[in-house]
Amino acid sequence: AQSVTQPDIHITVSEGASLELRCNYSYGATPYLFWYVQSPGQGLQLLLKYFSGDTLVQGIKGFEAEFKRSQSSFNLRKPSVHWSDAAEYFCAVTSGTYKYIFGTGTRLKVLA
Amino acid sequence: DAGITQSPRHKVTETGTPVTLRCHQTENHRYMYWYRQDPGHGLRLIHYSYGVKDTDKGEVSDGYSVSRSKTEDFLLTLESATSSQTSVYFCAISEQGTGAFFGQGTRLTVV
Repeated sequence: AQSVTQPDIHITVSEGASLELRCNYSYGATPYLFWYVQSPGQGLQLLLKYFSGDTLVQGIKGFEAEFKRSQSSFNLRKPSVHWSDAAEYFCAVTSGTYKYIFGTGTRLKVLA
Repeated sequence: DAGITQSPRHKVTETGTPVTLRCHQTENHRYMYWYRQDPGHGLRLIHYSYGVKDTDKGEVSDGYSVSRSKTEDFLLTLESATSSQTSVYFCAISEQGTGAFFGQGTRLTVV
């Protein structure tokens, strides 16, 4: 079955520190991969997407993610976290069916 | 922001009553989705549509039905609301190569 795993439910980092959020997927077809961010009471905003090509993709707000097929991973990174990055982050996967499957999310807390 | 409008934004209803949530898009995207979001579960797909009158079930479709008679509108109906359907419901749209874009959500409480 297709699935997405985000192993960290909560992560706390200090402002200015680097960040890595983990995402692993199980998907039989060639995956298309995404990261979304959700602030409290809001909808989800697309941060970045991977369809093919360069395995390191750049997104909005200074985020990047790297697709590693051998590890079935698509981890999200940011070199220096800002207090405004505190939110919940979701990894998602789809393929040619365009049915999006989401992970359970990682809640990021940023310490001043 | 993608042109997606969900209505209503908040609703309280009684157990056993039917409820319909509406999603309207102005982007002419082919694919439309209904998800529910619950703590600890992330977003779970209820139903999705890949064209007018073309729909398919998601992972949590029991107790829900959908209709799409026009490209721009995707309706989600709870046939007989139960307390377990208390949740935040999100509509999303997508097109090939774009990623999914989400509405602001509908908070539904079943009492």
